[in-house]
Amino acid sequence: AQSVTQLDSQVPVFEEAPVELRCNYSSSVSVYLFWYVQYPNQGLQLLLKYLSGSTLVKGINGFEAEFNKSQTSFHLRKPSVHISDTAEYFCAVSGSSGTYKYIFGTGTRLKVLA
Amino acid sequence: DTGVSQDPRHKITKRGQNVTFRCDPISEHNRLYWYRQTLGQGPEFLTYFQNEAQLEKSRLLSDRFSAERPKGSFSTLEIQRTEQGDSAMYLCASRGGLVGYNEQFFGPGTRLTVL
Repeated sequence: AQSVTQLDSQVPVFEEAPVELRCNYSSSVSVYLFWYVQYPNQGLQLLLKYLSGSTLVKGINGFEAEFNKSQTSFHLRKPSVHISDTAEYFCAVSGSSGTYKYIFGTGTRLKVLA
Repeated sequence: DTGVSQDPRHKITKRGQNVTFRCDPISEHNRLYWYRQTLGQGPEFLTYFQNEAQLEKSRLLSDRFSAERPKGSFSTLEIQRTEQGDSAMYLCASRGGLVGYNEQFFGPGTRLTVL
């Protein structure tokens, strides 16, 4: 079984400042890792994913994440945030075989301040 | 638009009524998932289809819930005798095309409010 922990429920940050959203996972099998963004009353949009290979993954909208197997982490970063990045961010894990169902964290609300 | 669609987007019902939601996945995707998201929480897995076969159900899916995917195309999720605790966003996702094979594509969700 897998589990995901997002330690920060809310992260306020000023516009153009860097941000890191933390995600830790646990699993007894090989995993795929994902970050999704959700705007109010909308579905989930994929930001980036780690399947294998390079541990630094670049995604859309200037986001990137680094897979750290020893620390079982997959933190999301952006060097300079915009007001439009204000949203809920979810980290998810799936097994690398089987049903590929997602296990989500509880989410981090990013609030970008002017 | 070739994304995942869900209908209706919003549903308000009275406790005890039955409701049915529909999901139309991306056409070439053979895998379909239902999730439930309550306020302030991440989505939780409900059930999974590969083609028309329902291969996994979460223990969250009580006897009042049933899902189908006839002919391996669209899917329906029915809740019988709704309870206030069923109020949530119900998300559908599909997976399996040549593009983005290893990721799930989500629909906009159906928000259910049980009065």
